[in-house]
Amino acid sequence: DSGVTQTPKHLITATGQRVTLRCSPRSGDLSVYWYQQSLDQGLQFLIQYYNGEERAKGNILERFSAQQFPDLHSELNLSSLELGDSALYFCASSPGTGGYEQYFGPGTRLTVT
Amino acid sequence: GEDVEQSLFLSVREGDSSVINCTYTDSSSTYLYWYKQEPGAGLQLLTYIFSNMDMKQDQRLTVLLNKKDKHLSLRIADTQTGDSAIYFCAEKAGNQFYFGTGTSLTVIP
Repeated sequence: DSGVTQTPKHLITATGQRVTLRCSPRSGDLSVYWYQQSLDQGLQFLIQYYNGEERAKGNILERFSAQQFPDLHSELNLSSLELGDSALYFCASSPGTGGYEQYFGPGTRLTVT
Repeated sequence: GEDVEQSLFLSVREGDSSVINCTYTDSSSTYLYWYKQEPGAGLQLLTYIFSNMDMKQDQRLTVLLNKKDKHLSLRIADTQTGDSAIYFCAEKAGNQFYFGTGTSLTVIP
């Protein structure tokens, strides 16, 4: 158990809908990272937040957005969902900004039908 | 984006050593990582190495880094059936993180 929690574990929704994925980092960790894992794209870095501020942006679509709240939990919002958005979404956390020790949550499996 | 490449599959016999290889393209990488993913689970950080190091050893794991060839390897000594999983190589370059496709390690009893 990494100490990172993600909810929900599974999510099934229809195309065009909007969903919110939630992540609670390990106690004391200030950075949160979001990743998408799919069969065709592999594991892709989406975005990093550090202490509430966006720190780095990777391959995140404009339909997706994230935020980190004062209690350090983070949410990833996915809107106008397409079939290709079906994937595992992982959250990871680390103590600082360097990212050299990232601890991954168990993931949220999103299925878009 | 940057390319991080790994072979897709590796099979070894229990008790043998496993060597998983990875190549990357970005010479400005600062950290390089190895993660393990078991079925239905998230990624577990196994070890990481700073780009100015050549080798790091941690119990049964040995990481070798050849910066000139941009080649990273993970050696698992005395491989056990519990080591069967997918192993991901990853690099941090600037503020970005790039992952390989993963190597599926099968340990044959």
